[in-house]
Amino acid sequence: RKEVEQDPGPFNVPEGATVAFNCTYSNSASQSFFWYRQDCRKEPKLLMSVYSSGNEDGRFTAQLNRASQYISLLIRDSKLSDSATYLCGLNTGKLIFGQGTTLQVKP
Amino acid sequence: EPEVTQTPSHQVTQMGQEVILRCVPISNHLYFYWYRQILGQKVEFLVSFYNNEISEKSEIFDDQFSVERPDGSNFTLKIRSTKLEDSAMYFCASGGTSGTGELFFGEGSRLTVL
Repeated sequence: RKEVEQDPGPFNVPEGATVAFNCTYSNSASQSFFWYRQDCRKEPKLLMSVYSSGNEDGRFTAQLNRASQYISLLIRDSKLSDSATYLCGLNTGKLIFGQGTTLQVKP
Repeated sequence: EPEVTQTPSHQVTQMGQEVILRCVPISNHLYFYWYRQILGQKVEFLVSFYNNEISEKSEIFDDQFSVERPDGSNFTLKIRSTKLEDSAMYFCASGGTSGTGELFFGEGSRLTVL
């Protein structure tokens, strides 16, 4: 099983839609979790950390399920500018990424 | 806003040549990293550096690669005897005082090996 797995997509959604991505991980000793955003041919940028109790930042909600070993990202009211690849990041002593899930928001 | 800067933005080299990629991390950060992304593939961890030594490295980071922090500000990645498959975007990143995984990435150096 890969250390970090994500559905590469693409997820094609209309503006205003709600979309959710999951990321599964195999290392139960993973210490902390993150969602990064990567625009085409650009560097990854931290979107949000993921806390055990779940956390929200505006239209973005992140959840962690340690028992089932996955994290999720929910985006409400999608904007065109949300189109990007979303990377799941795990800190296991080093930060490793999944392959990313590509989101395309259409007008 | 403080940022991580990388040079060069793009380097073209012949197979077998040595390449040095340079990074200036955010000034008060203590943890430094190099990642690689081959076109169309995932962002892969190469190496982490803390307290002037390598703290962890991946299987990719073999004897062909080395890192150095020569002067307290620059953080370099040297690739010896480049191969075609070394063609990729190389990202430098730095993290603050806790090494938690909240990293700031540079814009990357694109390496093309011919």
